[in-house]
Amino acid sequence: DTAVSQTPKYLVTQMGNDKSIKCEQNLGHDTMYWYKQDSKKFLKIMFSYNNKELIINETVPNRFSPKSPDKAHLNLHINSLELGDSAVYFCASSPWGTSDSVGQETQYFGPGTRLLVL
Amino acid sequence: AQSVSQHNHHVILSEAASLELGCNYSYGGTVNLFWYVQYPGQHLQLLLKYFSGDPLVKGIKGFEAEFIKSKFSFNLRKPSVQWSDTAEYFCAVTRYNNNDMRFGAGTRLTVKP
Repeated sequence: DTAVSQTPKYLVTQMGNDKSIKCEQNLGHDTMYWYKQDSKKFLKIMFSYNNKELIINETVPNRFSPKSPDKAHLNLHINSLELGDSAVYFCASSPWGTSDSVGQETQYFGPGTRLLVL
Repeated sequence: AQSVSQHNHHVILSEAASLELGCNYSYGGTVNLFWYVQYPGQHLQLLLKYFSGDPLVKGIKGFEAEFIKSKFSFNLRKPSVQWSDTAEYFCAVTRYNNNDMRFGAGTRLTVKP
């Protein structure tokens, strides 16, 4: 009954490969997010989707492409992986975007995917 | 640009000591404020949040935070820390009715038994 789940938990791969990380939430939320946490623990938002529509797209290399097949899923595909992509990637969701969004900005985080590019 | 500052990078305390972690934000409008905790190797968990009303907010595990609008601050406090409070603590801010959450750099708390 995990609220926000991510797979895989760990991902070790070679430079130049393409990989995907999956995220699913069973909270009934309308909005989902991807964050990158670097080695210094700094958290930076990458993307946000509301009901399958992209609403936040920070300055992220276009090798990163989010895909939202439905509002409960937000996957992250990364092409041509580079050493600097090594980080922990967190998915999150929130109820924001419903008819009454005020006060719904609390985000709930998944367990993270630790990506190591060799 | 909206930013969030956490003044303490690493705080080391002994058990039973009192804790205060600073958080300041730069946005001038109405904001929503959050503290998240990340235990070693785990995901972020919400400690407490402030949207409106009483500026003194109580959260889980004995934590509280006070919103001081004039100082653009939302400091986290706990009167007596435990070894199990060892974790990374993140302050976060969203603008009113906006889901773009910005995090501070985090404060690592180490509690010595």
